[in-house]
Amino acid sequence: EAQVTQNPRYLITVTGKKLTVTCSQNMNHEYMSWYRQDPGLGLRQIYYSMNVEVTDKGDVPEGYKVSRKEKRNFPLILESPSPNQTSLYFCASSLYGRFPDTQYFGPGTRLTVL
Amino acid sequence: KNEVEQSPQNLTAQEGEFITINCSYSVGISALHWLQQHPGGGIVSLFMLSSGKKKHGRLIATINIQEKHSSLHITASHPRDSAVYICAPSSVGNTGNQFYFGTGTSLTVIP
Repeated sequence: EAQVTQNPRYLITVTGKKLTVTCSQNMNHEYMSWYRQDPGLGLRQIYYSMNVEVTDKGDVPEGYKVSRKEKRNFPLILESPSPNQTSLYFCASSLYGRFPDTQYFGPGTRLTVL
Repeated sequence: KNEVEQSPQNLTAQEGEFITINCSYSVGISALHWLQQHPGGGIVSLFMLSSGKKKHGRLIATINIQEKHSSLHITASHPRDSAVYICAPSSVGNTGNQFYFGTGTSLTVIP
């Protein structure tokens, strides 16, 4: 089944404890992206990647890191999480990054930082 | 600044009603997407359009590029249509697809 998977789906952690949220797609998509969703603010883009080893900042990259070593994987790293990073996170992918294209979303990861 | 405005923010309808959700945007775009987010949180893409009109079943999306406005219509609404609908214009630049998102319209359809 064609899909975008994220792990974990739920995570409660403490301030400063490094964590990684994994994202994987099995559709051979070039473009992958991370978003966070907060009440009243909607979806905001954190980082995106046009292809392997090509990543760029979105609107709210502070406090996050990403890597794209393989086409299928795009992990989101929080080196030192803080309570303002408590949010619902979505990974998404699309076949192309340089043309208008449909995005496929993962199921979301609900992160709470205490 | 709000580059994407959706209206209404909340909408309650009786089953069978015709529903319209509006989206206005201020940025230049390559395409506009309508997304559906169910109460469980999952997001699916309903439409991608760059001109005119598209129809999938009971859903119709229209866009007027000159007026920077799009509408999503649901005919014969059903309780399973209850969800948040998100307008997402996108533009393609040197660094690829840039997405902008509205804050969503929360639709509740009552049986």
